[in-house]
Amino acid sequence: ETGVTQSPTHLIKTRGQQVTLRCSSQSGHNTVSWYQQALGQGPQFIFQYYREEENGRGNFPPRFSGLQFPNYSSELNVNALELDDSALYLCASSSGTGVIYEQYFGPGTRLTVT
Amino acid sequence: AQSVTQLDSQVPVFEEAPVELRCNYSSSVSVYLFWYVQYPNQGLQLLLKYLSGSTLVKGINGFEAEFNKSQTSFHLRKPSVHISDTAEYFCAVTEQGAQKLVFGQGTRLTINP
Repeated sequence: ETGVTQSPTHLIKTRGQQVTLRCSSQSGHNTVSWYQQALGQGPQFIFQYYREEENGRGNFPPRFSGLQFPNYSSELNVNALELDDSALYLCASSSGTGVIYEQYFGPGTRLTVT
Repeated sequence: AQSVTQLDSQVPVFEEAPVELRCNYSSSVSVYLFWYVQYPNQGLQLLLKYLSGSTLVKGINGFEAEFNKSQTSFHLRKPSVHISDTAEYFCAVTEQGAQKLVFGQGTRLTINP
């Protein structure tokens, strides 16, 4: 069974640019959640996708957007990058949206904005 | 709104000593509580969770936690730590019907030989 994978591992972008991060969910999982983890902080919920629809969003501006594909993989897009967007971006997949469904986290993508 | 406070940002202990990592939460409704571990350059791994039932929860790698509703706490304990337990530990809370986990700021556990 393949776990959650994310690409790329590291990324350096310039302020104002756009970035796309990718996540492949674990086999059999239909739900993907994205989190932002700034240095020295706990992860913060960005949004969740369930069966290709957004199913909840945290306190992030609209320039953070996402997609989920029919195979349940997902993308996180960030437009107009700001320095404060530098962080580790984690995705987690689960086999449902309820609290009883364990979220399995990928290793993350570290984004640096200069 | 839910929030989580991890009372210690760093906890140094000697190998084979006991450890307690403290977590307090605030919420106006019934909550579900989790502890995750993050090893260097890796994602988060679930250690244990409290959904209902017994307030003493046992997890992987010899960890356990006790849910205390009156004190709104969910402290993590291990009777004897190993070098391999060196990692960042996160406490998290969520509510019935909520999509998101709300995490604390993390506690860095350092094991000294």
